[in-house]
Amino acid sequence: DTAVSQTPKYLVTQMGNDKSIKCEQNLGHDTMYWYKQDSKKFLKIMFSYNNKELIINETVPNRFSPKSPDKAHLNLHINSLELGDSAVYFCASSQGSKSPLHFGNGTRLTVT
Amino acid sequence: GENVEQHPSTLSVQEGDSAVIKCTYSDSASNYFPWYKQELGKRPQLIIDIRSNVGEKKDQRIAVTLNKTAKHFSLHITETQPEDSAVYFCAASKTTGNQFYFGTGTSLTVIP
Repeated sequence: DTAVSQTPKYLVTQMGNDKSIKCEQNLGHDTMYWYKQDSKKFLKIMFSYNNKELIINETVPNRFSPKSPDKAHLNLHINSLELGDSAVYFCASSQGSKSPLHFGNGTRLTVT
Repeated sequence: GENVEQHPSTLSVQEGDSAVIKCTYSDSASNYFPWYKQELGKRPQLIIDIRSNVGEKKDQRIAVTLNKTAKHFSLHITETQPEDSAVYFCAASKTTGNQFYFGTGTSLTVIP
């Protein structure tokens, strides 16, 4: 019974391709997030989203776009992949920003 | 936006000794401070959290202290064990904005 699940676990692709990572949470949380963890282990917020508001970190290239078909899902689409996009991407959810984040198991993206 | 700084970046202790990790934050509106442990190849998991109306919280060998005036909070691990070896992240968030800002992580090694 995984609370936050994301697929795929590993994604290897070539520069210039477009790819998507899916995320689903069964916790009934109202807010979902995408984080990027680079090789130095830094966790950087990319997006947060609830039914009413999308907050985008201004440093995120517009090649990245979140898509939320419903409250339990927040997918990440990436266009024109670049080498620097290689990282582990974590989906997370919370019941607002005064409750803990619950992370998915991560997607390791490798761009060659 | 919020800026969270974390020190030290690496920490080695002998088994049984204590470990302390410190974080500072910049936004006085931040009011929720969770700590996460990330083992190699796994997702970050919450180990303890504290809210701004509390100065200290303890859970067995783990404690967190918060000084709102100085805008810093610390994680204390007593009687360390080899299984405590991991990367630890502090984070800060506030009621508005739906964003969690993470520190840069501390790689803790407990030497048997």
